[in-house]
Amino acid sequence: GAVVSQHPSWVICKSGTSVKIECRSLDFQATTMFWYRQFPKQSLMLMATSNEGSKATYEQGVEKDKFLINHASLTLSTLTVTSAHPEDSSFYICSARIRRPSDTDTQYFGPGTRLTVL
Amino acid sequence: KQEVTQIPAALSVPEGENLVLNCSFTDSAIYNLQWFRQDPGKGLTSLLLIQSSQREQTSGRLNASLDKSSGRSTLYIAASQPGDSATYLCAVRMDSSYKLIFGSGTRLLVRP
Repeated sequence: GAVVSQHPSWVICKSGTSVKIECRSLDFQATTMFWYRQFPKQSLMLMATSNEGSKATYEQGVEKDKFLINHASLTLSTLTVTSAHPEDSSFYICSARIRRPSDTDTQYFGPGTRLTVL
Repeated sequence: KQEVTQIPAALSVPEGENLVLNCSFTDSAIYNLQWFRQDPGKGLTSLLLIQSSQREQTSGRLNASLDKSSGRSTLYIAASQPGDSATYLCAVRMDSSYKLIFGSGTRLLVRP
């Protein structure tokens, strides 16, 4: 099956610094990538939808200036948490939708990135 | 606004038992519904996807049903095994945007 990787798998940073998380589709081209956030014992909440070559679409309540998303190619999307604070500590998961001529419902999820802000 | 609820939040059963996980949603105009498995600290693995026109899907020991009119889906796990221990999430897709709305999950523990 299709593989989506995330890097890093975990990161610890000081408050005020910026952290970049990469999401790559390893063996397919992804038309669309999604970024989710998951707090402990809670479900995944969609943060933004990222389309290659265009600006990301953010969900209500998600600060686009704080969570910068870049989708420069069909295999790579990055999420940068700017000026991170302890409340940004969470598990960030990306998913990718395969680019196919026909519609497909399949999203492939990455393994997640655990962010801890001290 | 679509809301997805999963009951129970946690479940502990002895190995070999058959069990049912429940998922309910408030807006029945869904495009499809999907069940995922999440191991601790890991990403999601898709288990079953049911289109809005379907009533059930089966894969091995797993069977998922969908009653769109009542806003309910169940995931049936037969002959549970310790390796089934994980968090199970259901998610609905409302339209062609491909956005998924997740429930809060059921944490399953299958005791040897």
